[in-house]
Amino acid sequence: NAGVTQTPKFQVLKTGQSMTLQCAQDMNHNSMYWYRQDPGMGLRLIYYSASEGTTDKGEVPNGYNVSRLNKREFSLRLESAAPSQTSVYFCASSKTSGRVRGTGELFFGEGSRLTVL
Amino acid sequence: KNEVEQSPQNLTAQEGEFITINCSYSVGISALHWLQQHPGGGIVSLFMLSSGKKKHGRLIATINIQEKHSSLHITASHPRDSAVYICAVRLYGNKLVFGAGTILRVKS
Repeated sequence: NAGVTQTPKFQVLKTGQSMTLQCAQDMNHNSMYWYRQDPGMGLRLIYYSASEGTTDKGEVPNGYNVSRLNKREFSLRLESAAPSQTSVYFCASSKTSGRVRGTGELFFGEGSRLTVL
Repeated sequence: KNEVEQSPQNLTAQEGEFITINCSYSVGISALHWLQQHPGGGIVSLFMLSSGKKKHGRLIATINIQEKHSSLHITASHPRDSAVYICAVRLYGNKLVFGAGTILRVKS
């Protein structure tokens, strides 16, 4: 059981380059999340997908796009990378039941460290 | 004002001390999560709460839904408890909102 798998773990880009961070979970979870972690800023939600076929903006969506390819996979794309996007990116997933209170333990990937020069 | 406020931001304790980290939120939630991140490490889920109290080893988490407040307690703290502790709330619709985190250092 691999849990939540993120790739790549490390990436260096030049300003203006594009790339996609991949996330896959094998736990049949319906909700998936992308967030970034910066020193002194805590975790900030970029985008999330409450269920297959839906995506919604989080706190800091500018400069990013996402695709919920299927129930397992949720990718994050940087179309034109900027130095301000240098960060550690985490993907997470949970099994939730919409408005049912109390569902949905969170599982995290190991993180992807991105540097934009 | 952030929807999730944690306190304290930084906490230094002596080994063996009882530690409390607080989390207050201002929105309706379906669940609250306590997370742990060791320096340079990944993020681990400690608890998910929607009511009452949960205990796991030396860790205890409580939540008061009416007061929109949760606490994480560590009994008999140890240097290996040194980490960042993060409170996150799940809104109806499954959006997650994170607190800024509490940096805990336990000295031996």
